[in-house]
Amino acid sequence: GAVVSQHPSWVICKSGTSVKIECRSLDFQATTMFWYRQFPKQSLMLMATSNEGSKATYEQGVEKDKFLINHASLTLSTLTVTSAHPEDSSFYICSASTGTVGTQYFGPGTRLLVL
Amino acid sequence: GQSLEQPSEVTAVEGAIVQINCTYQTSGFYGLSWYQQHDGGAPTFLSYNGLDGLEETGRFSSFLSRSDSYGYLLLQELQMKDSASYFCASFNQGGKLIFGQGTELSVKP
Repeated sequence: GAVVSQHPSWVICKSGTSVKIECRSLDFQATTMFWYRQFPKQSLMLMATSNEGSKATYEQGVEKDKFLINHASLTLSTLTVTSAHPEDSSFYICSASTGTVGTQYFGPGTRLLVL
Repeated sequence: GQSLEQPSEVTAVEGAIVQINCTYQTSGFYGLSWYQQHDGGAPTFLSYNGLDGLEETGRFSSFLSRSDSYGYLLLQELQMKDSASYFCASFNQGGKLIFGQGTELSVKP
């Protein structure tokens, strides 16, 4: 149980284009989903908290107009990187909460390479 | 600010015991979680301490002392497959996880 999927797993795009990443909870309903970014050999940095049916809450320093988050249902959240640039190249990981304190279930991540 | 400190790397041999320490300074702290991440993979949940004391799950144990803002992950009977990065993370108000910088564990034969 508690499986989270992400799509796509890999994406390569040209600078200036937008990329959408989907995060789905497959066997549970997640009222809250989280988006992280991880650069090589670094920690996971929380980008935003996404609650179903409401606007996402962004962490300090994360541009909400660049990283658009939509949480349309209890099983789906999307992250759109708008006008991507090479410095946006990173490993983007989502997680979902079942409501159990202390645990989040992570998706397999999406590697974004912007050329 | 919010921060978690843990050693950057640890090396041990197969069969040994290793302890990875974590000190934290966060607001809205509920408890301390531990995650394992293999190269190229996503983090995998290992344990959560919401109360002071020791939690044991198979070969892995985790400890928390709120008064000392300190916790550790103990890995016993190390296996080669345990080579990975280990992250402590504070579980905070709103369900947020704030991660430490990670400890790269290398298990040698």
